[in-house]
Order: sequence, then C-alpha cells, then structure tokens
Amino acid sequence: AQKVTQAQTEISVVEKEDVTLDCVYETRDTTYYLFWYKQPPSGELVFLIRRNSFDEQNEISGRYSWNFQKSTSSFNFTITASQVVDSAVYFCALRGGSYIPTFGRGTSLIVHP
Amino acid sequence: DADVTQTPRNRITKTGKRIMLECSQTKGHDRMYWYRQDPGLGLRLIYYSFDVKDINKGEISDGYSVSRQAQAKFSLSLESAIPNQTALYFCATRGGGELFFGEGSRLTVL
Repeated sequence: AQKVTQAQTEISVVEKEDVTLDCVYETRDTTYYLFWYKQPPSGELVFLIRRNSFDEQNEISGRYSWNFQKSTSSFNFTITASQVVDSAVYFCALRGGSYIPTFGRGTSLIVHP
Repeated sequence: DADVTQTPRNRITKTGKRIMLECSQTKGHDRMYWYRQDPGLGLRLIYYSFDVKDINKGEISDGYSVSRQAQAKFSLSLESAIPNQTALYFCATRGGGELFFGEGSRLTVL
C-alpha cells in the first residue's frame, strides 16, 4: 500500500514570505514517482512537477523549489517570496508499481497582501 | 478546447435520482481515472481503466459505476444519488507521466 501525508492542513503567510509545504510518503516500491499539483480557487488542478525515485536532485523553477529526500521519504515544496496568486490548495501525490496515483489531503496556502 | 472535458460542470439533483458524469479526452491516452474531492480529504480514487476492456474499482467505488465506451470516453454513474455523494468529481487521463485533469464536475445531491 502507498500513502501520502500532508500534515499541514492550512498555512497562512504574508506576501513575500517564504513558505514550505511538507509531503511525506510511504511505499514499498523501489521505483516510484512523486508529483505536486496546484488547485487555485477556480478549481482546476494544475501539474507542477514530477520526480522519479532515482533522481534526488533538488529542482528550482523560478520561485518554486522542491527538495526530495529518500532518507526521510519526503518531497517538500518551497515557494520563495510568496505572492497572493500563490494562494491555492497544493496536493502531493505518489505513483508506484501499481500505476495508481495516490494523493495527500492537500495543504491550503493563503497568502495575504 | 480542453484536452479532458467533463460534462456537466455543475449539477444539482435530488436523492434517488440517477446521474451520469461524462468525460472525454483528446490526448489519446489509454489510462483514465475518476476521482472525488471532498474538503479536507484530498482526492480519492473511485474507478480507473487502463484500456477499453479494463475497469477497476478504486478505494471508494461503492454507490458508483463506470463505463468505458471508447478509448476517449469514460463515464461515471450514480445509480441512486444520496446526499453524501455531494462532491467535486474529476476525470483524469495519463500517458506515461503525470495526470491530466478535466475541469471538474460539481455535484450537489439534495
């Protein structure tokens, strides 16, 4: 069985603060993929990143960065200098050998002006 | 046009009614999924299909059924809707990597 835990239900920050969204996963598979999706208030689900289990390099994309650590089974997401437009629900997901993506419960990020 | 299209986008119905949510995709993917989103519970898998002849139950399939009419079409049915099926429903497809989601169908059962 696989499991994704996003312990932070809601995070509230003021614009320009840095914020990290935590994601911890469980799987017995040696090959797996991790994902982050964003759900803005309009409701659609937007793909942000995919990372496979053999690639532990951190990734940076503009103000977004991801830290993948197999030793702690974590795939954390940091937004630098947050903006109001970053306000959304963020989901972490895992896909292992079963090919069935499993999602965490999501973290609601509120960025105040 | 969206790659994954869901209809209807919003629906209000009454307890006991039969409801069908439709999903069509233009991405040519074999794998299709139906998820349900409830506040605080994330996305939970209802059914999935890896090709036209393959249908599988997810973690919350009770009260739902599906039909894979073609590679591009995957419909979700509620035979007799009940209020706790009020939720936001997403269809998704997958080629080799990430999921591609439809815009969601918001269902309210009174």
